[in-house]
This record gives sequence, C-alpha cells and structure tokens, in this order.
Amino acid sequence: DSGVTQTPKHLITATGQRVTLRCSPRSGDLSVYWYQQSLDQGLQFLIQYYNGEERAKGNILERFSAQQFPDLHSELNLSSLELGDSALYFCASSVGGRANGELFFGEGSRLTVL
Amino acid sequence: DQQVKQNSPSLSVQEGRISILNCDYTNSMFDYFLWYKKYPAEGPTFLISISSIKDKNEDGRFTVFLNKSAKHLSLHIVPSQPGDSAVYFCAASARAGNMLTFGGGTRLMVKP
Repeated sequence: DSGVTQTPKHLITATGQRVTLRCSPRSGDLSVYWYQQSLDQGLQFLIQYYNGEERAKGNILERFSAQQFPDLHSELNLSSLELGDSALYFCASSVGGRANGELFFGEGSRLTVL
Repeated sequence: DQQVKQNSPSLSVQEGRISILNCDYTNSMFDYFLWYKKYPAEGPTFLISISSIKDKNEDGRFTVFLNKSAKHLSLHIVPSQPGDSAVYFCAASARAGNMLTFGGGTRLMVKP
C-alpha cells in the first residue's frame, strides 16, 4: 500500500460526458502528479501541483483540468470525453516539489469511454 | 518525441538466470534515473535509482548501470525469480525539472 488513494477505481461513461477523478496523497506529501497510461503504453505526464499551486504541465489536453485543494487532495476533471480518452489515470505524490526522487503511485482509475 | 525509450516490449527469462532490461534516453539534461515495477491492477512502485554522478547502484538482486556517454541505462536482476514477473518502467528527471519522464515499459516474464 503506497498510501496514495484514488477514486473511483473503475469508471465507464459515454462520449461527450464529464468525469472527475480524485486523489488523496500520502500523509505529509505536498506534491501531486497526474499521469495517463493508454493501452499498455508508458506513463504520460499530465500535470503537477505543489501545495495547492500548479508546478508543472505536461501533455494535458485543454479539455482536461486539475486542481489541488487546501487539504492537499487533488481532482482531475476530464470533459467532452472522446473514445481516445479511455486509459488508466494514475496519481502520484511526493514530499517535495521536485521529482528527482521517488514518487508514490496510487492504484489508478481506469476510465472507459463508450 | 520520446525522450526515454525502452525498445524491448517484452523479455522472457528462466528462473535463476539474469534478466537485463535496457533503457535509452535522448535528453542530456536528465541527471537522475529510476526504475519502477508494476504488477497488474496496481500502481507502479519504486525499485531502484541512480544519480548521474554514479555509473552503478546495487540493491540486493537489483543493479542499475548508467552509461552517460551512450545515454543508456540497464537494470540487471540476478537471480531472476517468478515473482519478478511484472512490467518495468525506466524514468528520468532533470535537476531543474519537476516531473519524471517514463519509458514505454518492458514486460518481464520469469519462467519457473
């Protein structure tokens, strides 16, 4: 158990819909990262928050947005969903704001868009 | 543009033998490298790391080698065990960066 909690574990929805994925980082970790893994591919970095502020942005679509709340949990919002958005979405956390160290990953949220 | 590449999508090894997983990178700013292991239905878990000031780091059965001039790193598992069967991701970060860049993963199967 990494200490990172992601909900829901599985989500099935239709094209055009909007979903919200939730992540609670390990106790004491200030950074939250979101990654997307499609079809047994590598993990693609989406976005990082550190202590409530956006710290780094990767290949995140404009239809996607995220935020980190004062209690440090984070939400990833995916809107106008397309079939290609079907993927595993991982949240990870770390103590500091830099990723040159270990990230602790949650078990992921599997999104299926039909 | 894939900055971190794992060119072997899968590898099959006999129990007790050595497993060698390879990773290449293109970004010369990367100075910290990590290997993660992922079992089905679980998130990736950290395995071992190496800083660019070293060329080798060892932790039990796992050793990571870094060849900076070739921009290549490898993970050696000796001896391989069936429980090592998983997907292995290499990842890299730059001192000035805030995120890890992952390779596509290599699925290791260790046969009893």
